[in-house]
Amino acid sequence: SAVISQKPSRDICQRGTSLTIQCQVDSQVTMMFWYRQQPGQSLTLIATANQGSEATYESGFVIDKFPISRPNLTFSTLTVSNMSPEDSSIYLCSVGAFMAGREKLFFGSGTQLSVL
Amino acid sequence: GESVGLHLPTLSVQEGDNSIINCAYSNSASDYFIWYKQESGKGPQFIIDIRSNMDKRQGQRVTVLLNKTVKHLSLQIAATQPGDSAVYFCAEEGGGADGLTFGKGTHLIIQP
Repeated sequence: SAVISQKPSRDICQRGTSLTIQCQVDSQVTMMFWYRQQPGQSLTLIATANQGSEATYESGFVIDKFPISRPNLTFSTLTVSNMSPEDSSIYLCSVGAFMAGREKLFFGSGTQLSVL
Repeated sequence: GESVGLHLPTLSVQEGDNSIINCAYSNSASDYFIWYKQESGKGPQFIIDIRSNMDKRQGQRVTVLLNKTVKHLSLQIAATQPGDSAVYFCAEEGGGADGLTFGKGTHLIIQP
C-alpha cells in the first residue's frame, strides 16, 4: 500500500482565514481524493484531485471554498478558504491503489482543523 | 437517496469475546464492499474487502459476510482485543469512478 503523508496534522485557525493542507504520496498514483469527516460523523467525499486538470467536486462542495491543486502524481493540496467554525473537521487525503483486481482506497492520517 | 448505514452506533464487548458489527446498504448496484478501522486521531485503515460475487471472506481474526438478498454486510472479529477498540466503517462502491460511500460508523468498545 502507498505511504501517505499529510500535514499539518492539526491546526487551530481564526475565522475568515484560509488553511492549505498538503498530501504527499511515496509513489505515483492516478486517483487522489479529499474527504471531510465532521466530529462524530462518517466520511464525505469533497472532490477528486485530477492531475493536470481541475478537480471534480461533489455536490455541496465548490472550488471557491475548497480549491485543490494536483501538480503531479504524488502530491496534492486542499485549501479551506474563508473559514468559519462550521469548517471544523478532520480532512483526509486518500489515494486509490490497484490491488488484486480492484481499486482500493488508502488514507492519510488526516488534518484535524478547529476554527475559532 | 441510496445510502450505506449501520444498525448500532456503539458496540461494547468483553475482551476475548467475538464482535459482530453490522451494516445495511440500499444500493443494489453496489458490487464491492470494504471495512475500515479508524483509531482515535488516525485516518481509516483498510481491514478487509469483499466483492458481490462472494458471500464470505476471511482474514486474520476477521471475517466479512455479505448477504445480497437482504443487502446486509457484517464484520466479525474473533477474540476481541483492546487494540480492536476503534470506529469501524463499512463502505460500498457502485462501480463508478468516484470515491467510496461510507456508512456512519460503529464505535467498538472493549470491556476488560
